[in-house]
Amino acid sequence: EAQVTQNPRYLITVTGKKLTVTCSQNMNHEYMSWYRQDPGLGLRQIYYSMNVEVTDKGDVPEGYKVSRKEKRNFPLILESPSPNQTSLYFCASRDSGTGHGYTFGSGTRLTVV
Amino acid sequence: DAKTTQPPSMDCAEGRAANLPCNHSTISGNEYVYWYRQIHSQGPQYIIHGLKNNETNEMASLIITEDRKSSTLILPHATLRDTAVYYCIVSVSSGAGSYQLTFGKGTKLSVIP
Repeated sequence: EAQVTQNPRYLITVTGKKLTVTCSQNMNHEYMSWYRQDPGLGLRQIYYSMNVEVTDKGDVPEGYKVSRKEKRNFPLILESPSPNQTSLYFCASRDSGTGHGYTFGSGTRLTVV
Repeated sequence: DAKTTQPPSMDCAEGRAANLPCNHSTISGNEYVYWYRQIHSQGPQYIIHGLKNNETNEMASLIITEDRKSSTLILPHATLRDTAVYYCIVSVSSGAGSYQLTFGKGTKLSVIP
């Protein structure tokens, strides 16, 4: 089944403890992206990647890092999480050539205490 | 900022057609209209997109006005499972064939038994 898989689904962590949220897609898509969703603010883009080793900032990149060493994986790294990064995170991917829509993962609910 | 305006909420009787409007009066000639929906806190789901012509797929129909300043998403026979937040997004395909998603607040559609 074609899908975007995020792990973990839920995570509670403490301020300052580095964490990684993984994202993997099995559709050979070039384009991948991370979003966060907060009440009243909607979905906002954090980082995106047009292909392997090509990444760029979205609208809210502060406090996050990403890497794209292989096409299928696009991990989101929080080097020193803070409570304001408590949010619902979504990874998405798309084939750059087909003109179809994005496929989103099921989400990761992160709580930083 | 989102380039679209949608009503915050709508109700629809089960089995009837749901017509969700979207205004995008500043749309450029090379910008597409995309529709996504998000059921509760799941990942957004692509529905349909179009440029100038009306489009139909297995999920919905998209009607775009001749001046392209507004569009309507039609769910022909709404079911309870169609209860979701519906997002109308306008965006241009980048040079690499992808496009950026900027989500607004969307329309909360409630399908009523």
